[in-house]
Amino acid sequence: KQEVTQIPAALSVPEGENLVLNCSFTDSAIYNLQWFRQDPGKGLTSLLLIQSSQREQTSGRLNASLDKSSGRSTLYIAASQPGDSATYLCAVSPTRDSNYQLIWGAGTKLIIKP
Amino acid sequence: DAGITQSPRYKITETGRQVTLMCHQTWSHSYMFWYRQDLGHGLRLIYYSAAADITDKGEVPDGYVVSRSKTENFPLTLESATRSQTSVYFCASSESGDGNIQYFGAGTRLSVL
Repeated sequence: KQEVTQIPAALSVPEGENLVLNCSFTDSAIYNLQWFRQDPGKGLTSLLLIQSSQREQTSGRLNASLDKSSGRSTLYIAASQPGDSATYLCAVSPTRDSNYQLIWGAGTKLIIKP
Repeated sequence: DAGITQSPRYKITETGRQVTLMCHQTWSHSYMFWYRQDLGHGLRLIYYSAAADITDKGEVPDGYVVSRSKTENFPLTLESATRSQTSVYFCASSESGDGNIQYFGAGTRLSVL
């Protein structure tokens, strides 16, 4: 059974630092992996989607990498800002046939201190 | 307004009562989903729908009922609410099931006393 883990559960860093959030999964046979952002009292917003054939995706200050063989993905945030404070979740899609059935990590709560 | 909306945003009910959470999307997306999110856990899929009149169980369907008579609406009903169903419920939609990005509503925080 696929399991997704995000460590640490919470992270606090000063503004301006570059940081890395981690996501690990137990079964390397995934269809894709997504990173989401969740703000308090709001829904989730998809940040980046990496297909299983890709190694990384970039959007602005965000870069997500995928290493299927080791069951790991990282979300790199450059030059962090207080507005980046949120909970970040990763989710894997296990197969193409059931790729809508996302398996979720519990998230990393990120606080950027001004 | 375009997007996906959930109502109510907050709900308090008592054990044994029936509760219906509403979800409406304006994109005509084929797929819609209901998740619950509990502290310390990731989201768990309750039910999903591939199209109007087509629904299927997710990971944690017990105690819940869904229907989808129209493409844009996907209500979730708790037939007899229990304390274990206290949670935050999210509705989502996607254009297709083929790895497309899912778009989420703002959530409904449900407390069962």
